Amino acid sequence: EPEVTQTPSHQVTQMGQEVILHCVPISNHLYFYWYRQILGQKVEFLVSFYNNEISEKSEIFDDQFSVERPDGSNFTLKIRSTKLEDSAMYFCASSSDAAGGKTQYFGPGTRLLVL
Amino acid sequence: SQQGEEDPQALSIQEGENATMNCSYKTSINNLQWYRQNSGRGLVHLILIRSNEREKHSGRLRVTLDTSKKSSSLLITASRAADTASYFCATDLPYGNNRLAFGKGNQVVVIP
Repeated sequence: EPEVTQTPSHQVTQMGQEVILHCVPISNHLYFYWYRQILGQKVEFLVSFYNNEISEKSEIFDDQFSVERPDGSNFTLKIRSTKLEDSAMYFCASSSDAAGGKTQYFGPGTRLLVL
Repeated sequence: SQQGEEDPQALSIQEGENATMNCSYKTSINNLQWYRQNSGRGLVHLILIRSNEREKHSGRLRVTLDTSKKSSSLLITASRAADTASYFCATDLPYGNNRLAFGKGNQVVVIP
């Protein structure tokens, strides 16, 4: 069964460093998402992406964040200058459509620790 | 902003018993979905119920949706130790907005 994959599974970085989180969505999906979950808290929406552009972003997704689909299969989240509070589990998700109740399928997550 | 929120209860049940958890939300929705998360792992989609549906079944799962009360319940019948996980509801909005708003999650422990 197709699934969303994410790499790395864990990443440790120093505050102020740039990190890039990688995702490979399900191959025939058209909508891509990033969410994050700070330890012990809710899963929070960051951004959605369709047709090579951001379709929606949350207030969390500030200028330090960016997303890119560099080729036909990868979808990346970049944090330019990490802060301690960026430590969280980051989930990528994809869906075949945004409308009509299409399920968002989540990857296993990347656990980011900022020191 | 609307969000799904589960009743903040942790359930501890014996294998074979049923587990019920609830979710409430604040505004109109397009769909409501339930996800499972094993400790420190990814989110596994369980079931989606549309706003015009009242009940849906999938294997041992039964989901109900009451849009008048803005609430949903997830029932797991004949629970197994492998059902031990956190369960989240997530809602999306009716006007084409595709972000999911998640609740806080219910921790379920099934004792073998």
